[in-house]
Amino acid sequence: DTAVSQTPKYLVTQMGNDKSIKCEQNLGHDTMYWYKQDSKKFLKIMFSYNNKELIINETVPNRFSPKSPDKAHLNLHINSLELGDSAVYFCASKDRDRQETQYFGPGTRLLVL
Amino acid sequence: ILNVEQSPQSLHVQEGDSTNFTCSFPSSNFYALHWYRWETAKSPEALFVMTLNGDEKKKGRISATLNTKEGYSYLYIKGSQPEDSATYLCARGYGSSNTGKLIFGQGTTLQVKP
Repeated sequence: DTAVSQTPKYLVTQMGNDKSIKCEQNLGHDTMYWYKQDSKKFLKIMFSYNNKELIINETVPNRFSPKSPDKAHLNLHINSLELGDSAVYFCASKDRDRQETQYFGPGTRLLVL
Repeated sequence: ILNVEQSPQSLHVQEGDSTNFTCSFPSSNFYALHWYRWETAKSPEALFVMTLNGDEKKKGRISATLNTKEGYSYLYIKGSQPEDSATYLCARGYGSSNTGKLIFGQGTTLQVKP
């Protein structure tokens, strides 16, 4: 049973398209995150939701919009894709206490051509 | 500045060697320091969460220490094995009670040669 799952695993698309990445966790956690692994391999936080409510929104272009239909799901929609959006995107979740471990999904490799 | 730095960036050791790496972070308003192990083509996997100054954690041959006053943590691997080859990430927690986020270092990539 996969704890944090993401779909798709790979996404190749043209510049200007709109695409979504889905994330689901079956751990019963309250908080979910989206991270982007940048070109220097850093994991950088993009968004966080706590029980469907947006609590962290880093300096991310507004072409990126997270959506949380329920606390087990956090999807990432990206409008008007640009070449610089090519990266690996990771979803993570944790229980509500801030010291708790974050559990990561397998990542979605996005390539914008 | 929310900066977490790790050194060295990469490390090559022989099987059986013991090794250690460093994570440095700003010490103000500290509440947690995380270590993750990240194998190629997999997702980061939690090793330790440390919260108190002087904390020491151990899991098998891997252990970690924490100094929150001076802002550093060490990760030690005793008797490295080829399966220890991975990138080791540390991350400092920031933010208030439910809204905590992690700021990651760039990682130390360990290669253990048989």
